Amino acid sequence: AQTVTQSQPEMSVQEAETVTLSCTYDTSESDYYLFWYKQPPSRQMILVIRQEAYKQQNATENRFSVNFQKAAKSFSLKISDSQLGDAAMYFCAYRSWYNNNDMRFGAGTRLTVKP
Amino acid sequence: NAGVTQTPKFRILKIGQSMTLQCTQDMNHNYMYWYRQDPGMGLKLIYYSVGAGITDKGEVPNGYNVSRSTTEDFPLRLELAAPSQTSVYFCASSTEDSPGLEAFFGQGTRLTVV
Repeated sequence: AQTVTQSQPEMSVQEAETVTLSCTYDTSESDYYLFWYKQPPSRQMILVIRQEAYKQQNATENRFSVNFQKAAKSFSLKISDSQLGDAAMYFCAYRSWYNNNDMRFGAGTRLTVKP
Repeated sequence: NAGVTQTPKFRILKIGQSMTLQCTQDMNHNYMYWYRQDPGMGLKLIYYSVGAGITDKGEVPNGYNVSRSTTEDFPLRLELAAPSQTSVYFCASSTEDSPGLEAFFGQGTRLTVV
């Protein structure tokens, strides 16, 4: 079964600075999707960014970008110009192309933004 | 836009009691899911459904049951509550029209079994 590992339980960043959250995954599949979800204190899970494994180009969404290294099975999230509203739990997730009913989540990274 | 709505938001149950967590979505999504989130852990799939009348087990189905009589509703039933079921429960939905079947989540139900 696929596993997702987030090795940083907590991270902190100064407002306006850049922070990178790490994620690695284990799979024998060649086609899949990767996601970063944000969970603020309200508990609402919000999609931040997604990456299709067949695309070599890294996904970007405004201040959020990923560094997708397929061979290394690594999928890190970079947040630029951090804002106080970015403070949240961030979850990395994997969805198989072949068994798309099962999305695997990492344990999460709690991001604190210091003013 | 309501999206995915879960009720209740909080609940305390005594051991052995039963309850139903409600979930409804107004996006006409075929796929619906129930996850649980334990402290310090990611979400784990309990049950899922690919359409009305079709349900299947996920990674941690023991102690739970589901039904899907309509596209909109996907209730989760706990028959005999146990302390191990203390968790935050999330309902989600998705559609094949969204790349990667992006999941849209409800706000969660915090359940405590005492």
